[in-house]
Parts: sequence; C-alpha cells; structure tokens
Amino acid sequence: AQSVTQLDSHVSVSEGTPVLLRCNYSSSYSPSLFWYVQHPNKGLQLLLKYTSAATLVKGINGFEAEFKKSETSFHLTKPSAHMSDAAEYFCVVSAGGTSYGKLTFGQGTILTVHP
Amino acid sequence: GAGVSQSPSNKVTEKGKDVELRCDPISGHTALYWYRQRLGQGLEFLIYFQGNSAPDKSGLPSDRFSAERTGESVSTLTIQRTQQEDSAVYLCASSLQGVTGGGNQPQHFGDGTRLSIL
Repeated sequence: AQSVTQLDSHVSVSEGTPVLLRCNYSSSYSPSLFWYVQHPNKGLQLLLKYTSAATLVKGINGFEAEFKKSETSFHLTKPSAHMSDAAEYFCVVSAGGTSYGKLTFGQGTILTVHP
Repeated sequence: GAGVSQSPSNKVTEKGKDVELRCDPISGHTALYWYRQRLGQGLEFLIYFQGNSAPDKSGLPSDRFSAERTGESVSTLTIQRTQQEDSAVYLCASSLQGVTGGGNQPQHFGDGTRLSIL
C-alpha cells in the first residue's frame, strides 16, 4: 500500500521569498516520487521526479526536492517565488511491486504568491 | 501536437444520459491511465492500460464506468446513466512504460475533460 500526505492545503508567500511545500509518503516498496503542478484550467505538468538516483532532485522553473528516506519526506522548495508560480502542487508516489505505474496523489497544496 | 489530447474539453449533460470521453496519448506511449479529479479533492486513479489490455481496473467506481483502448492508441472512457456525483474533471495520462517498465516513467497528462451533470 502507498499513500501521500501533503501537510499544508494552502501556502502563501511574498514574491521573492522562499517556497516550501511539504510532503510525506508511505510505501511498501522503494518508491518513485514526483511533483506535479497544475495551473488553473490546465493539465498537470511534471516538475521533477526522484527514482533512486541522487536524493536532491532539480526540476523545472527553479524548483528542487530532497528525498529523505529516514523522514519519509519529499519536500519541494524554491529559493525565490515568482508570481507565475501560483498554482496547485501535487506530491505523487508510484510504488513498485504490483503497483508499478499506478500513481497515488496527495490532496494538493495551493500556492499563493503576493506581490 | 506532441502532448496528450483529450476531447471534449467540456461536457454538460443531463442526469441519466451516457457520456463518452476520448483520450489520444502521446505516440509510442504504451501505458495509458485515467484519473478523476472532483472539485476540492485530489486525483483518483480509475484504470490503467498496458497496450490494449487493462491490468488494473481497481479504481472504476461502479459498473456504470467502462473503458477501452484500441490499437494501442486512443482510449475511451464511458459513463452510463450518469449521476450528479460523476461531475468532475477526467484526466488521461500516458507514459512510455507501465507495469513492465517500472513506475519511474513520468506520466504526461492531458488538459482533462470537465464533466458537469445537471
């Protein structure tokens, strides 16, 4: 079984300040982890993925995430928020075993960026 | 285009009618997935295709829901006798590999079909 918990349903930051979106996961197998972003009325776009290589993963638009097995966390960060980052972000786990390819999504975190 | 294409983008229908949603995956992607996103909720997995077969249908909410895929390309999701609780955005995704290739291939999503049941 696998599950994902996004610890904040809403995060609000000022433009130019750091962003932290928190995610904890549980998985019976070695997981692959992803962050997706969804802008209003748009489909999901892949930001970055972790697949058991480097624990610090760099993605598009300046985002990065660190896989910490001991904490079962995969938090998403960005040093400086931009107005265009305002969107909903989903932490996603894809486990091995018979669940290969089946994604389990977190509930989402809505990021608001203030000028 | 090179991405996953879904049609229609919006569908409004009366309760009790049948609806058919279409997904064109990225060319060459053998794995295809359907998800449902209800308002204010996360995404729910519905069904997974590897080629033309569906090894995992565990997410289909009732026997009113069915899906098929032909020619390892286009997939259709059919909802019979629609109910108001079926109102949601239905998202399709495809990836290069599914079960046979492990779960680390990223899934590429379409823009979804917004279904509204009156």
